Amino acid sequence: DVKVTQSSRYLVKRTGEKVFLECVQDMDHENMFWYRQDPGLGLRLIYFSYDVKMKEKGDIPEGYSVSREKKERFSLILESASTNQTSMYLCASSDGGGLYEQYFGPGTRLTVT
Amino acid sequence: SQKIEQNSEALNIQEGKTATLTCNYTNYSPAYLQWYRQDPGRGPVFLLLIRENEKEKRKERLKVTFDTTLKQSLFHITASQPADSATYLCASRSSASKIIFGSGTRLSIRP
Repeated sequence: DVKVTQSSRYLVKRTGEKVFLECVQDMDHENMFWYRQDPGLGLRLIYFSYDVKMKEKGDIPEGYSVSREKKERFSLILESASTNQTSMYLCASSDGGGLYEQYFGPGTRLTVT
Repeated sequence: SQKIEQNSEALNIQEGKTATLTCNYTNYSPAYLQWYRQDPGRGPVFLLLIRENEKEKRKERLKVTFDTTLKQSLFHITASQPADSATYLCASRSSASKIIFGSGTRLSIRP
């Protein structure tokens, strides 16, 4: 079974803190994605990566950065957390060109106070 | 802008009946559509993919249709069970090669 793990299920941070969210997949997938999910807005793509050291902006990249130094690991960084970044963050991976099914992690519920 | 729209209102169905969920897309022609299930507090789980040249696809009690004329996909669960209660998401790839999701429809099956 494909497994995508995320470093924390719940996280509480203060405004202005630097936040790291880690995601690891164990199926040698080329593609990895970071989404945030908010009520009524659905899943919104923040960043994605089709290869190591490669990254592409999604629909809402402002306030975020990413790092992919190894194929299995994709990190999302909030340089200076703000309250409007309180959300559920979901990582996903997929094989091929992103055409096919994505495998999601359990999510990290981030609260910024 | 390219969008995927799902009925945001919850759907309440009696156990044993067929549940039908709708996904409409606008301003583009996706090569495929995907359907996912999401339980509260968990990540989405892939269920089915249907390509634009496929009219219908089935998997056990699930059936998905793709109508390029209506710009719509329908997702059916036959003989619905309370365990089918979840939020169901529709997704596709936009012309800019980004994955876009609908906001999901919450389905409740009452015994």
